[in-house]
Amino acid sequence: GESVGLHLPTLSVQEGDNSIINCAYSNSASDYFIWYKQESGKGPQFIIDIRSNMDKRQGQRVTVLLNKTVKHLSLQIAATQPGDSAVYFCAENPPRGSARQLTFGSGTQLTVLP
Amino acid sequence: SQTIHQWPATLVQPVGSPLSLECTVEGTSNPNLYWYRQAAGRGLQLLFYSVGIGQISSEVPQNLSASRPQDRQFILSSKKLLLSDSGFYLCAWRPGGRAFFGQGTRLTVV
Repeated sequence: GESVGLHLPTLSVQEGDNSIINCAYSNSASDYFIWYKQESGKGPQFIIDIRSNMDKRQGQRVTVLLNKTVKHLSLQIAATQPGDSAVYFCAENPPRGSARQLTFGSGTQLTVLP
Repeated sequence: SQTIHQWPATLVQPVGSPLSLECTVEGTSNPNLYWYRQAAGRGLQLLFYSVGIGQISSEVPQNLSASRPQDRQFILSSKKLLLSDSGFYLCAWRPGGRAFFGQGTRLTVV
């Protein structure tokens, strides 16, 4: 079946550097994408979302980029902090009318080094 | 504001025992509710979703069942747990685009 996958299972960055987490999605008709952050033992928390009619959206220290041509999504975290250490998931929303709900990738473990 | 409650936080159950995990949502009516399971190092697998009382859709055939006895209550159950049922179970509700998650239940079947 269709799934959302991530290029890298783990990512280590130095504190203060920028982080880039990538995600490949498979349903070209998906119209909405979300990034979640999950700390150990907790439920995922919303970070930022983007609709398919956009290619970039910025939040506080985070930016999501969407490349529909290659079905690629990325999350950029500026000035990475120790509190950013977590697993990051991307999720895609199939188009209206689909029986499928949000589909999540396997996640990337981000570790911030001191 | 809307909040989602899920309990218990951790649970250790023997193989063959029953299971009941409860999820409730406050501050909204007629929410779409979801149960996900997360295996270690893996993504979120959708198990069940419900758009209203008594309406349950199953995404994956398994040893689990779900019920929605009240508008803001969603229950995940099993009559006899298997070792493979171990995992991190998450309840979520989705008012529109994004989903909001509970804090999860870590289930260990021994």
